[in-house]
Amino acid sequence: GQNIDQPTEMTATEGAIVQINCTYQTSGFNGLFWYQQHAGEAPTFLSYNVLDGLEEKGRFSSFLSRSKGYSYLLLKELQMKDSASYLCAVKATDSWGKLQFGAGTQVVVTP
Amino acid sequence: EAGVAQSPRYKIIEKRQSVAFWCNPISGHATLYWYQQILGQGPKLLIQFQNNGVVDDSQLPKDRFSAERLKGVDSTLKIQPAKLEDSAVYLCASSKDAYEQYFGPGTRLTVT
Repeated sequence: GQNIDQPTEMTATEGAIVQINCTYQTSGFNGLFWYQQHAGEAPTFLSYNVLDGLEEKGRFSSFLSRSKGYSYLLLKELQMKDSASYLCAVKATDSWGKLQFGAGTQVVVTP
Repeated sequence: EAGVAQSPRYKIIEKRQSVAFWCNPISGHATLYWYQQILGQGPKLLIQFQNNGVVDDSQLPKDRFSAERLKGVDSTLKIQPAKLEDSAVYLCASSKDAYEQYFGPGTRLTVT
């Protein structure tokens, strides 16, 4: 099985940087995804890491350390529209791509 | 490209009643997923189809939940009979290559 932990809520000011940590314990690992979910909406894909290191995509970056079972999502130059839940999900080693999601981190951006 | 379609968007039923949800995945996506998302939690996979075959239904409460994917395209998820704890958002997702999953808008079910 898999256990995925991330903080419940984080608050940051518009224009600031926020780092959302995710730790996982898994019997098999084939990549880690980050999704963004606005209230009442479907999750949307942000990033995918399968190798150690940092992946940068505009204002968002994601980091993975497989040996530590650790990932983070870095949100820079925060905007009000970034207020959402951020879901960490681990992909199993089976060939079908099954994802195990964490409970999500609610990010609140204040003016 | 049209996204994943789901209907209805909202449903309110009484416990012990039946309900069905429909999903139309993105054209050409062979893999289809049904997730249950309880308020404050992450999505939990209920069942996964590859074309019209089931590849994972280990977390599907089979005594009350059933799902099918006829002809490897549309899918329906049914709950019969519903319980209060089934109140959740039911998300359908599809994937072309078991990599990125595209989610539909979900069906919010309230069981009273």
